[in-house]
Amino acid sequence: AQSVTQLDSHVSVSEGTPVLLRCNYSSSYSPSLFWYVQHPNKGLQLLLKYTSAATLVKGINGFEAEFKKSETSFHLTKPSAHMSDAAEYFCVVSGGNDYKLSFGAGTTVTVRA
Amino acid sequence: DAGITQSPRHKVTETGTPVTLRCHQTENHRYMYWYRQDPGHGLRLIHYSYGVKDTDKGEVSDGYSVSRSKTEDFLLTLESATSSQTSVYFCAISPQGANTEAFFGQGTRLTVV
Repeated sequence: AQSVTQLDSHVSVSEGTPVLLRCNYSSSYSPSLFWYVQHPNKGLQLLLKYTSAATLVKGINGFEAEFKKSETSFHLTKPSAHMSDAAEYFCVVSGGNDYKLSFGAGTTVTVRA
Repeated sequence: DAGITQSPRHKVTETGTPVTLRCHQTENHRYMYWYRQDPGHGLRLIHYSYGVKDTDKGEVSDGYSVSRSKTEDFLLTLESATSSQTSVYFCAISPQGANTEAFFGQGTRLTVV
């Protein structure tokens, strides 16, 4: 079994300041982990993925995430928020024999000018 | 764009009527998924397919059925629509296989009145 907990349902930041979105996971297997972004009324776009290679993963648009097995965490960060980062972000875990991606409930990011 | 087309993009239907949503992919990938998205729940897996005529249930499959008679098409049917099935439905593919990243269509907004 696997699951994901996104620790913040909503994050508000000022433009130009760092963004931190927190994600904890649970998995009986060596997991693959992903972050997706969804802009309003759009589909989901893959930001980055961890698949047991380097623990610090760089993605698109300046985002990166660090896999910490000891903390079962996969937090997403960006050094400097842009207005276009306003969106909903989903942490996702996969692994095991059920072919399933398990989604967190999502974190909505608001960027203040 | 991952070569996924969902149709229709929007639909309003009456309680008790059957509804079929279509997902079409252009690249003959084996793994296809149907998710629903509801506020506070992220995306939840309804059904998935790992080949023609090979399908299985996800975590919220009650009231839904699927069919896959061709590699490129994955149909989701609401046998008798209920208001609780009002949601946004996303189709996805996993080109690299099970437990790898998924790429999503643009979604179908279904309203059951």
